[in-house]
Amino acid sequence: GAGVSQSPRYKVAKRGQDVALRCDPISGHVSLFWYQQALGQGPEFLTYFQNEAQLDKSGLPSDRFFAERPEGSVSTLKIQRTQQEDSAVYLCASSFPLGQGAKDTEAFFGQGTRLTVV
Amino acid sequence: RKEVEQDPGPFNVPEGATVAFNCTYSNSASQSFFWYRQDCRKEPKLLMSVYSSGNEDGRFTAQLNRASQYISLLIRDSKLSDSATYLCVVNSFFTGGGNKLTFGTGTQLKVEL
Repeated sequence: GAGVSQSPRYKVAKRGQDVALRCDPISGHVSLFWYQQALGQGPEFLTYFQNEAQLDKSGLPSDRFFAERPEGSVSTLKIQRTQQEDSAVYLCASSFPLGQGAKDTEAFFGQGTRLTVV
Repeated sequence: RKEVEQDPGPFNVPEGATVAFNCTYSNSASQSFFWYRQDCRKEPKLLMSVYSSGNEDGRFTAQLNRASQYISLLIRDSKLSDSATYLCVVNSFFTGGGNKLTFGTGTQLKVEL
């Protein structure tokens, strides 16, 4: 596809359930970011991949959160034993490496997955 | 203190008005800067990059002051369609590769008739 695709668009999970959120980045994009956005807030950084390497996971809020990108393209964000505070929109973005020789290459976002934990 | 700070607003302005948003960042190692626009229940989209020399795109002007760690966005002749949340974004690089986009909370703009 032409843009970043995320699935599912909406997910309702019972507290304690595990969920997996998928991101299909734009083909050829090396960088992939995951963000969490609560209502009325800006996106909060979760983790960053360059190809298959997870270079920064400092934003993952707990060890219940795990992300992978095994072949350097599709990425999955997994949340184990979901809690109500995990309810948010999870955004994925991809880009060529920003600023590395390019003129501030744009990061493109998917439409997000809205997770509601009940 | 948040790494990127913005006034959340809302800014309610009449159509045709000029409005300015400001943003400050705390990481002096930050390398590049952007303004993103986010409509309600939509994903953020790039509005414009911000350069030290200042840059203009139609009714929009962005400015960066590295010494003060301050970024601004000016919108002239506001349109109803400009109503959205404007996100200040800072990009930092890491030794060994990789970069991180840090977002502000966003400033909400409402343009009214």
